[in-house]
Amino acid sequence: ETGVTQTPRHLVMGMTNKKSLKCEQHLGHNAMYWYKQSAKKPLELMFVYNFKEQTENNSVPSRFSPECPNSSHLFLHLHTLQPEDSALYLCASSHDSDGRYSETQYFGPGTRLLVL
Amino acid sequence: QKEVEQDPGPLSVPEGAIVSLNCTYSNSAFQYFMWYRQYSRKGPELLMYTYSSGNKEDGRFTAQVDKSSKYISLFIRDSQPSDSATYLCAITRGGADGLTFGKGTHLIIQP
Repeated sequence: ETGVTQTPRHLVMGMTNKKSLKCEQHLGHNAMYWYKQSAKKPLELMFVYNFKEQTENNSVPSRFSPECPNSSHLFLHLHTLQPEDSALYLCASSHDSDGRYSETQYFGPGTRLLVL
Repeated sequence: QKEVEQDPGPLSVPEGAIVSLNCTYSNSAFQYFMWYRQYSRKGPELLMYTYSSGNKEDGRFTAQVDKSSKYISLFIRDSQPSDSATYLCAITRGGADGLTFGKGTHLIIQP
């Protein structure tokens, strides 16, 4: 596997379900990101992790819970979602050197989520 | 005022034409500028990355930044049907900031 991978690629869940999205990067990067892409809206940054530490939470509702157990893996735990949370969830990674992020981020293919 | 403005299109041009895609931004603190290409049902793919004002060329693609006007452009020469995709501009202040994206322009190259 190369680059950034995400599983599952598609997910349908009810509002009472709990599910998790997984992201894995094979690029040797140490910063990882979650973005949300909704129809007719720009990509929205959700969370930033650097060396496993969360450095940014962009006012995301608590029904989204990120986890970064190591620099290669990132999870997004979902519970009691709403239909308006249906979107493409994209993971990205970049390299951080001496506390300074690389500005170039590499994206995975995304998980397309439908909340019923 | 939105931080990044980008015309969503669709923009339809014949094969072989020169394509011009543009974004404007409002905050002069933005220092790094990127263009991503996103095919349907795929993640964004980094095309070009620039830091300073001026032009940067890579094959058929040229990225142009005018910091004084807060205006960035992507030119595609000799456009091909395979260039049909959504093109996203992205900017950042650098450091711990994530990327701020435009809405994306849907480009269609007609054979």
